[in-house]
Amino acid sequence: SQTIHQWPATLVQPVGSPLSLECTVEGTSNPNLYWYRQAAGRGLQLLFYSVGIGQISSEVPQNLSASRPQDRQFILSSKKLLLSDSGFYLCAWSVRTGDSPLHFGNGTRLTVT
Amino acid sequence: QKEVEQNSGPLSVPEGAIASLNCTYSDRGSQSFFWYRQYSGKSPELIMSIYSNGDKEDGRFTAQLNKASQYVSLLIRDSQPSDSATYLCAVNPRGSTLGRLYFGRGTQLTVWP
Repeated sequence: SQTIHQWPATLVQPVGSPLSLECTVEGTSNPNLYWYRQAAGRGLQLLFYSVGIGQISSEVPQNLSASRPQDRQFILSSKKLLLSDSGFYLCAWSVRTGDSPLHFGNGTRLTVT
Repeated sequence: QKEVEQNSGPLSVPEGAIASLNCTYSDRGSQSFFWYRQYSGKSPELIMSIYSNGDKEDGRFTAQLNKASQYVSLLIRDSQPSDSATYLCAVNPRGSTLGRLYFGRGTQLTVWP
């Protein structure tokens, strides 16, 4: 069966510090991968998605970036965090067909202080 | 703009009652529809997928889809306190081969004993 691992679970970082969140998927090949953010009291916002190694599409321009160095690895980064980057970050995967659901990791709760 | 609208609630029902959650979407050509359950502080969990008009039942959950009216609903029979969570409606719009889902903001459900 497929599993998705996301870490760390919680993170407290000062403003201006860098960020690196990692996500890996097991049990499937060539997945679509996604990074979502959920701010307090708000809906899920798609940040990035990837259909293959090195292929990243950005939904919202901001100080975050994403990379996919391996087929089942997805990384979210920032060089300098802002207070507004606080939120619940979720990695998700889906199979390549267009009508498949997303499966989420456990998420990372990021607080920028 | 592909929008997914849900009543934010909170929706409060007594234990044993039927909870009815509704969702409307703007893209008439949307093909696949999903319901997720999200407990406080946790990541969304897929509970139902529906692709065709009509009803789909899975245990105490029934998803109903009406493409002509552009709405999808979730019924929870014999509601339990453990069903208390936020329920997210997600839609895969027409032409999306990437599995990109648009999410509503969620309906908060409370089931009281």
